[in-house]
Amino acid sequence: DAGVTQSPTHLIKTRGQQVTLRCSPKSGHDTVSWYQQALGQGPQFIFQYYEEEERQRGNFPDRFSGHQFPNYSSELNVNALLLGDSALYLCASSPDGGYSGANVLTFGAGSRLTVL
Amino acid sequence: TQLLEQSPQFLSIQEGENLTVYCNSSSVFSSLQWYRQEPGEGPVLLVTVVTGGEVKKLKRLTFQFGDARKDSSLHITAAQPGDTGLYLCAGADDSNYQLIWGAGTKLIIKP
Repeated sequence: DAGVTQSPTHLIKTRGQQVTLRCSPKSGHDTVSWYQQALGQGPQFIFQYYEEEERQRGNFPDRFSGHQFPNYSSELNVNALLLGDSALYLCASSPDGGYSGANVLTFGAGSRLTVL
Repeated sequence: TQLLEQSPQFLSIQEGENLTVYCNSSSVFSSLQWYRQEPGEGPVLLVTVVTGGEVKKLKRLTFQFGDARKDSSLHITAAQPGDTGLYLCAGADDSNYQLIWGAGTKLIIKP
């Protein structure tokens, strides 16, 4: 049973460029959350998608956007990249129990983004 | 704004020693989770504690949720090099879809 898969695993971009990261959730999971993790820090919640809609958003600017497809997979898009966007971007999936506290998050290995 | 403070931020000890990691907040959480993350990987769930005062054991790891559900601790007995990693606590609020994360404790166990 495949877990959460993310692609690409590593990528390098320059300031001002745009990036798209992809996530396939664990089989049977229909909710996808995206997190940003700076080096040596805990994850920061970006947003969560359920039923192809953004259900909740963290404190991130509009440059961060996403999408969920009918097969529950998801994309994270970041426009106008800044140096500070360099981080590990984690995707986590869960079965929808209504609230995060009731669910077990399964994380992917992440996409390491470096902005030069 | 809900915050979770973890301490210590960094801990390096010898194999066989005991250690405790703390996770504190002024907010009440409906549950609290502990994760372990290794370099190049995503966090992996170790345990979820739900009831105030709850104690859960996972081999040499003991997790406790405070009576008021505002704090938690992770105690490792006889640490081994395989315990090395970043330990993260995350609190859940039933009014919210997101988890609130601590900054993590980087643990190194030297052989």
